Amino acid sequence: EVQLVQSGAEVKKPGESLRISCKGSGYTFTTYWISWVRQMPGKGLEWMGRIDPSDSYTSYSPSFQGHVTISVDKSISTVYLQWSSLKASDTAVYYCARIEWLTYFYGMDVWGQGTTVTVSS
Amino acid sequence: QSVLTQPPSASGTPGQRVTVSCSGSSSNIGSNYVYWYQQLPGTAPKLLIYGDSQRPSGVPDRFSGSKSGTSASLAISGLRSEDEADYYCAAWDDSLSGHYVFGTGTKVTVL
Repeated sequence: EVQLVQSGAEVKKPGESLRISCKGSGYTFTTYWISWVRQMPGKGLEWMGRIDPSDSYTSYSPSFQGHVTISVDKSISTVYLQWSSLKASDTAVYYCARIEWLTYFYGMDVWGQGTTVTVSS
Repeated sequence: QSVLTQPPSASGTPGQRVTVSCSGSSSNIGSNYVYWYQQLPGTAPKLLIYGDSQRPSGVPDRFSGSKSGTSASLAISGLRSEDEADYYCAAWDDSLSGHYVFGTGTKVTVL
């Protein structure tokens, strides 16, 4: 079964750093890009950026450029999203999603279960 | 900030047909495929429509997508209670160096 499994919920204080993960299985991990999507409480979906696991090339939404870093460790089929200094406004659910080009024309066909990040003093 | 605009809400009674619109521009919907995602309460989004009007296997044919110019629509025919969810359109945007953009989202309520 093709799946993306994300790391568990996190509670952090403003200014702290954080890295959450997304592990792919059931397919050749380096074949498809992985995106991160933010959903703030009660709000819509926001595309943050994506990475190509085959060469680590990243592309960020202008809204998130410089605020987060997307990276990959293809030896363990895992993509990461990290912050160096969290803010209360980073409180949200973060989803990773596979961008499938072969069948779904670059649609996001497989999603992780979501990681809830709460930033509060 | 979303560049694809959707109505905040839509509703219908069981069995009715509901449509959700998505308005974009020449750099996104006008020149790239449109996707639709369904998000049931408390769950991750699910790909509902890709390539403007194609359904992944397992998606009922009650769901259909269409596109004209810089706008797209999702239609749900034979509305069912389990269709109550948030629906998002999306597209790649050429003006943003190949970035992906989501619509503002539409809450579909089954009355």
